[in-house]
Amino acid sequence: EAQVTQNPRYLITVTGKKLTVTCSQNMNHEYMSWYRQDPGLGLRQIYYSMNVEVTDKGDVPEGYKVSRKEKRNFPLILESPSPNQTSLYFCASGLPESPLHFGNGTRLTVT
Amino acid sequence: AQKITQTQPGMFVQEKEAVTLDCTYDTSDPSYGLFWYKQPSSGEMIFLIYQGSYDQQNATEGRYSLNFQKARKSANLVISASQLGDSAMYFCAMREFFILTGGGNKLTFGTGTQLKVEL
Repeated sequence: EAQVTQNPRYLITVTGKKLTVTCSQNMNHEYMSWYRQDPGLGLRQIYYSMNVEVTDKGDVPEGYKVSRKEKRNFPLILESPSPNQTSLYFCASGLPESPLHFGNGTRLTVT
Repeated sequence: AQKITQTQPGMFVQEKEAVTLDCTYDTSDPSYGLFWYKQPSSGEMIFLIYQGSYDQQNATEGRYSLNFQKARKSANLVISASQLGDSAMYFCAMREFFILTGGGNKLTFGTGTQLKVEL
């Protein structure tokens, strides 16, 4: 089944403790992206990747890192999480002119 | 300026009625695509419908249609014969291909419209 898998679904952590949210897709998509969703703000792009080893900042990249060593994986790294990074995170992948396929989301709480 | 504007934070509609969710966009890129996604309370993002900037006809997918008015830069979603299961948050999004500036492939979302279908 074609899908985008992100883990974990729920994560509660403390300020400053490094964490990684994994994202994997099995559709051979070159394009992958991370979004965060906050009430009243919609979804905002954090980082995106056009292909392996090609990543670029979105609208809200501060406090986040990504890597794209393989086509299928695009992990989101929070080196030192802070409470303002409490949010719902989505990973997505797609072909250039097609709809994005989204993962089921990761609800992160930073205390 | 906002790239994607959804002016209706919340909407109510009666079951079996049609409803229009508004979306206006702003871009100088000649090539772009417009999407609508549905997010039920369970949280997943469900793709509904797509309209390309060069498409001559309005897109339709079952009970969903996209009223695309390019000169007005609007891409309203019309849901016909609303069902209780249509209650959800709806997001309009635009993908710009940066033909003029080169590079990138960005999908920008609006702030969403919460639709509630009532009996």
